[in-house]
Amino acid sequence: AQRVTQPEKLLSVFKGAPVELKCNYSYSGSPELFWYVQYSRQRLQLLLRHISRESIKGFTADLNKGETSFHLKKPFAQEEDSAMYYCALTCRTGAGKSTFGDGTTLTVKP
Amino acid sequence: DAGVIQSPRHEVTEMGQEVTLRCKPISGHDYLFWYRQTMMRGLELLIYFNNNVPIDDSGMPEDRFSAKMPNASFSTLKIQPSEPRDSAVYFCASSPMDTQYFGPGTRLTVL
Repeated sequence: AQRVTQPEKLLSVFKGAPVELKCNYSYSGSPELFWYVQYSRQRLQLLLRHISRESIKGFTADLNKGETSFHLKKPFAQEEDSAMYYCALTCRTGAGKSTFGDGTTLTVKP
Repeated sequence: DAGVIQSPRHEVTEMGQEVTLRCKPISGHDYLFWYRQTMMRGLELLIYFNNNVPIDDSGMPEDRFSAKMPNASFSTLKIQPSEPRDSAVYFCASSPMDTQYFGPGTRLTVL
């Protein structure tokens, strides 16, 4: 069975500080990992996916298969980054279903 | 494309009433998902469809909840009878394969 763990429910940093949102997963096959973001009272939207290796809004995430982690990082947090962040896993063999973590609420203080 | 469309955006009803939430997925997406989001339990997958067929409804909390997808462009989630503990934001999402595209959600309040 697949599982996604986000150990921090709440994370608070000051503007300009580095931020790292942790995500660990368990899955026996080859996973596809995603980060979704939900700004206040808005819909969830895709932030980035590991397969594209992009940097979106200054965020990056590297898949570490050895540690089964997909932590989200940004070197200099901005106030507009305050949101709920969800890590999600989809198995490449299909089925389309994603397993989501419980989410981390990030607050960036001025 | 307007994205995933959900209606109504807000629903306030009284305990015992029937509630129907509606979703129009993005055209061409084969998968449709219904989620419930609460402060206490986070994001929960209720049910999902592939090509209009329900694949996994193990997340549906109880028999009061039912979902249908009569065609590729429409799905409903029904709660009958509704209870105060059903109060939550209900999201619909569609997917071509792996990335999910979420609707704006329906904020349901059951008094």
